[in-house]
Amino acid sequence: AQTVTQSQPEMSVQEAETVTLSCTYDTSESDYYLFWYKQPPSRQMILVIRQEAYKQQNATENRFSVNFQKAAKSFSLKISDSQLGDAAMYFCAYRSSLGNKLTFGGGTRVLVKP
Amino acid sequence: DSGVTQTPKHLITATGQRVTLRCSPRSGDLSVYWYQQSLDQGLQFLIQYYNGEERAKGNILERFSAQQFPDLHSELNLSSLELGDSALYFCASSQGDRGPYEQYFGPGTRLTVT
Repeated sequence: AQTVTQSQPEMSVQEAETVTLSCTYDTSESDYYLFWYKQPPSRQMILVIRQEAYKQQNATENRFSVNFQKAAKSFSLKISDSQLGDAAMYFCAYRSSLGNKLTFGGGTRVLVKP
Repeated sequence: DSGVTQTPKHLITATGQRVTLRCSPRSGDLSVYWYQQSLDQGLQFLIQYYNGEERAKGNILERFSAQQFPDLHSELNLSSLELGDSALYFCASSQGDRGPYEQYFGPGTRLTVT
């Protein structure tokens, strides 16, 4: 079974600075999808960014970018120019290309200091 | 707003009772997924339906059941409720059954069992 691990329970960042969240996963599959979801205090789950395992190029979405290291099974999220609205729980998630369900990590809480 | 709706937003009920959570997927989406988010278990996949048929099952208890109706809305039934069933229940939807389709989450139903 696939597992997803987020080793940082909480990260703090100064407004306008950069923070990087770590995620590692365990799988025997070669084709899969990786995601970062944001959960603000409203509890809504918001998709931040996705990465297809067959793509070597790292995904970027505005101030959010990933560092995907397939061999190391690592998928980190970098938030640049952090804003107060970035404060939230961030979840890393895995989905097999053959499957349906999302497997989530335990989450990392991001605090943004003004 | 993801386009996925869930009702009710909050539910407070007593142990031993039965409740029904409702989800309407985004327009055009055929798949519905149910997830449970609790403090001790994190975010867990429960079950998926695609166009009315059950497609995948996760860590769903026997006391829980779900179905998807011809109009594609879905209901999650929780019976013989226990204190440990208190959690945030998310519904998500996607266009397809598997593959590159992204899952969009509803706002969740918070269930409190007293």
